[in-house]
Amino acid sequence: SYVLTQPPSVSVAPGKTATITCGGNNIGSKSVHWYQQRPGQAPVLVIYYDGARPSGIPERFSASNSGNTATLTISRVEAGDEADYFCQLWDSSSHYVFGTGTTVTVL
Amino acid sequence: QVQLVESGGASVKPGGSLRLSCAASGFTLSDSYMTWVRQAPGKGLEWVSDINSRGGRTSYADSVKGRFTISRDNVRNSLHLQLTRLRAEDTAVYYCAREIAGYSSSGHETRYFDQWGQGTLVTVSS
Repeated sequence: SYVLTQPPSVSVAPGKTATITCGGNNIGSKSVHWYQQRPGQAPVLVIYYDGARPSGIPERFSASNSGNTATLTISRVEAGDEADYFCQLWDSSSHYVFGTGTTVTVL
Repeated sequence: QVQLVESGGASVKPGGSLRLSCAASGFTLSDSYMTWVRQAPGKGLEWVSDINSRGGRTSYADSVKGRFTISRDNVRNSLHLQLTRLRAEDTAVYYCAREIAGYSSSGHETRYFDQWGQGTLVTVSS
């Protein structure tokens, strides 16, 4: 089955940029979505279709997808961005696949 | 606004059964595919099952196939998940979510979850 690998943790200072990767075999040929999950809360969609943002999600959140890596970038990081982040894709054989998750810590 | 509220979570013994429900409001449930995703304590997200808008097509993760059954009642705006032959590894928070199917700008068919409930906890322990 298809596997999506994320770094377990990323630490970033306030105001700096956090970069979270999601690795998978030829992931650039698929569409990747990203979710934010704050402690004790349900996941929230922050990026869909590789780079689109739902209404209410700040422009500080952006994403890209190419080759074997999809990337979520959080610019000008704030304390409220501290959360777990999961990538996700769908394909006809593996159905729904979530990444292993990355904990973002704001220093 | 869109709201999904799960209920039915409980503590049960291995081999037991449980029925989870998800009450939907703020959108037309009958237009939407719906899904269940679970999260074991301290772990990541795992897709469990989904159902098309009319309830005629269902899919399951291999880990629950044959034990869980998804259903929906579009008249009562509700989604359900019947859990049977429960195992310790089924312990998790179960989320219902609205599923969106479509194509990215590069033409890739895909699905994602745009609205989530707050979750209901299922604990399987002797």
